[in-house]
Parts: sequence; structure tokens; C-alpha cells
Amino acid sequence: AQKITQTQPGMFVQEKEAVTLDCTYDTSDPSYGLFWYKQPSSGEMIFLIYQGSYDQQNATEGRYSLNFQKARKSANLVISASQLGDSAMYFCAMREGYNFNKFYFGSGTKLNVKP
Amino acid sequence: SAVISQKPSRDICQRGTSLTIQCQVDSQVTMMFWYRQQPGQSLTLIATANQGSEATYESGFVIDKFPISRPNLTFSTLTVSNMSPEDSSIYLCSVQNPDRNTEAFFGQGTRLTVV
Repeated sequence: AQKITQTQPGMFVQEKEAVTLDCTYDTSDPSYGLFWYKQPSSGEMIFLIYQGSYDQQNATEGRYSLNFQKARKSANLVISASQLGDSAMYFCAMREGYNFNKFYFGSGTKLNVKP
Repeated sequence: SAVISQKPSRDICQRGTSLTIQCQVDSQVTMMFWYRQQPGQSLTLIATANQGSEATYESGFVIDKFPISRPNLTFSTLTVSNMSPEDSSIYLCSVQNPDRNTEAFFGQGTRLTVV
């Protein structure tokens, strides 16, 4: 089974609007971490936000927030007030407690912000 | 955080040749990770490199094809050997955040094209 599933290959959003990128995960380990990364066309991977499985509150980092629904095993990324510079690929990733060194990445969502 | 310098940033190579990619970190880290991202795909872990020991390779990757060196706690190299067009990918090195051992930071990536 896929560890990380991103079902939206591509998304469009109007500048200044909010957008939600979906991510579901699969693990039986009670200890895990969830991450979102942004990859612009230049190829670098930029860390955006982290959510630990034991964290009680949803993580937020500036315009990024992670909507963590543990029972549903979802970790959606919400970007508020989209900017043209947000256009990029976005990857959801997970690390599991038993092998915390290994990241599992989803297939990615290509976000296009329209002016 | 950690600043990772990776070079070359891109290269075009002839099939049958080899390319060595360098990764320099501005702080000492126990493990360094090498990923491959084939065109339009997600990231796949190639191997984990520990200082003073042989790298640990993931399924589908072998040392003869992707030899790795880790001479000290701030530096690693990945060699792509006997290249074929199927090796055309972005190669990224990565380290864990040395401050809190959660997220991973990535180098800028090496965009390799094999002709």
C-alpha cells in the first residue's frame, strides 16, 4: 500500500485566495511525522511545515497551516492568501517511528496560482 | 537549520561516463541521504551515508552503480556510474535538521541529463 497519497496531480487557485492540497497517509506506527515540501521549477526542495503524530494542535507557519485529522489519516496543507510565487510542486511526506531516518514522499501536486 | 551546498547544479553527460556529485553541509551531521527524482516523479531514497562506514542502499540501488563516499561529518559524494539516458534525473542530498531531528533539509539538487 502507498504510504503517502496525493490525489490532486494539479490545482489552480486565484491569487489572494486560499487553497487546500490533500494528503492521506498509511501507517500502523503510533509515532510518526508529517511534512510538506515545496519544489519550484529550479528543483530545490523547500521545507514548509511539520506535524508530529502526538501534537495536539495543527501546525502553522506563516501562510501555511496543516489540517491534521488523525482518525482520517489526513494531513492537508492549507495555503492562505496565495501568491504568484507559490506556483510550484508540493510534496507531502512522512517518517515513521521505527525507521525515523526514511522519508516516504507522495507523488506531488502541481499548484498554479493565476493572477 | 543546516545549509547544504550541492554541486554541480546541472550537467549534461555522455552515456557510459560517470559523474560525481558533491554535497557539503555547514554543520556536522551523523547521516546524509541521497535521493533521485526522475522526470515528473517523486523522490526515491537511494542510500543513507554514515561517516566511517559503508552506505546503506535501498532496494533497487547498488553500490557498483551509485558508489558513495562519506569521508567526514560534513561532506559526501554520490557517483552515478556508467550512465545511460535512464539515469537522467535530479539527484538531491539531504540531512536531518541537526537542531530538532524532525524535518530534512535538501541541497539545491543536481539536474543530470545523459545523452
